[in-house]
Amino acid sequence: DTGVSQDPRHKITKRGQNVTFRCDPISEHNRLYWYRQTLGQGPEFLTYFQNEAQLEKSRLLSDRFSAERPKGSFSTLEIQRTEQGDSAMYLCASSPAAGGYEQYFGPGTRLTVT
Amino acid sequence: AQKITQTQPGMFVQEKEAVTLDCTYDTSDQSYGLFWYKQPSSGEMIFLIYQGSYDEQNATEGRYSLNFQKARKSANLVISASQLGDSAMYFCAMRGGSNYQLIWGAGTKLIIKP
Repeated sequence: DTGVSQDPRHKITKRGQNVTFRCDPISEHNRLYWYRQTLGQGPEFLTYFQNEAQLEKSRLLSDRFSAERPKGSFSTLEIQRTEQGDSAMYLCASSPAAGGYEQYFGPGTRLTVT
Repeated sequence: AQKITQTQPGMFVQEKEAVTLDCTYDTSDQSYGLFWYKQPSSGEMIFLIYQGSYDEQNATEGRYSLNFQKARKSANLVISASQLGDSAMYFCAMRGGSNYQLIWGAGTKLIIKP
């Protein structure tokens, strides 16, 4: 069974550009989460999907951020008009519908905004 | 509001010794869960152990155990017989009530000395 995968692993972009990241969860997991982690800090929750429905979204999340999960499989996270403060590691995690609450994480996408 | 506090920014431990990583939490929820994750320098977040607030026994997973003291609101991670490969960042996290998002501490950097 493959784990959570994320693409790309690294992204360098210029301020003002739009970027999109992809996350493929573990196949039987119906819950999917996005977190952001800056250097030296713990992850910060961004948003959560159950199947295709976006059920939670952080109040800290700017309107420049949007996430989708069409068909309840993979998810995309888009950042519009990137700013230098968006530079961070973007982590995706998934968890099953039943059983434990543990979330399984992908390798992350490291974004650098220049 | 929920909060996780990890007071040890860094720790050095001799190989084969046991190590305790501290975690205290604050929540008004009656039902909650506590997690420990390991993040090596490669960046991927690895699930270690989970403790539910109603679990009467302390959770154990191999060399990892969670010392859960509900009245003190602490959930310390104990690693027995430490190994060089245990060197990493360790994060304590909490899920509260009906929320699925995780609230994270700032982490502890553990370095195992040969």
